[in-house]
Amino acid sequence: QSALTQPPSMSGSPGQSVALSCTGTSSDFGIYNRVSWYQQPPGTAPKLVIYEVSNRPSGVPDRFSGSKSGNTASLTISGLQAEDEGDYYCSSYTSTNTWVFGGGTKLTVL
Amino acid sequence: EVQLVESGGGLVQPGGSLRLSCAASGFTFSTYWMSWVRQAPGKGLEWVAKIKNDGSEKFYVDPVKGRFTISRDNAKNSLYLQMNSLRGDDTAVYYCVRGGEVVLRYWGQGTLVTVTS
Repeated sequence: QSALTQPPSMSGSPGQSVALSCTGTSSDFGIYNRVSWYQQPPGTAPKLVIYEVSNRPSGVPDRFSGSKSGNTASLTISGLQAEDEGDYYCSSYTSTNTWVFGGGTKLTVL
Repeated sequence: EVQLVESGGGLVQPGGSLRLSCAASGFTFSTYWMSWVRQAPGKGLEWVAKIKNDGSEKFYVDPVKGRFTISRDNAKNSLYLQMNSLRGDDTAVYYCVRGGEVVLRYWGQGTLVTVTS
């Protein structure tokens, strides 16, 4: 199972919006809407911020939103804050009942 | 509060074995799929394996098939990962995760496995 494709790095200034992309194949995104996003600040465990494409777990600020179009999913962070800095990973459930992750995007808040 | 605490990591030689454990609390363990996800040093996340709530179904990522075995003891609220024939590319932090079908919801803090001679 090939990994999902994410840009290695992105940056934005405080207050700006940034959209992180995640590209897969029809066998990843085409069958299920089980696309998730995880935030991982340096030295910590990943934390779920979006699940099933656009759902936000309780406690996650509404500045975080998710969407999907075709074989590309996106995580948009609006009103960027310094605490949003870290690595972001997308994941998708696959047609073989397994999970696949993207390579991760390192988000820098300038 | 959901808590997942991994243990059992350490240093092991290539070809060796290690058994990871995960102690779960704060939820009804026996009703959830559970997974293991790993992260090699400085690298991204890789899902490793998952097990159904009653242990009747198990799935693995291709590189660990035939070498790793996921299991659980619902009476002890514990998840396990038996790792055999370990290789250098198995070196990683291994996370215990609640979930496996819809979402990988809660993550433990991880335990480091280092395979080196």
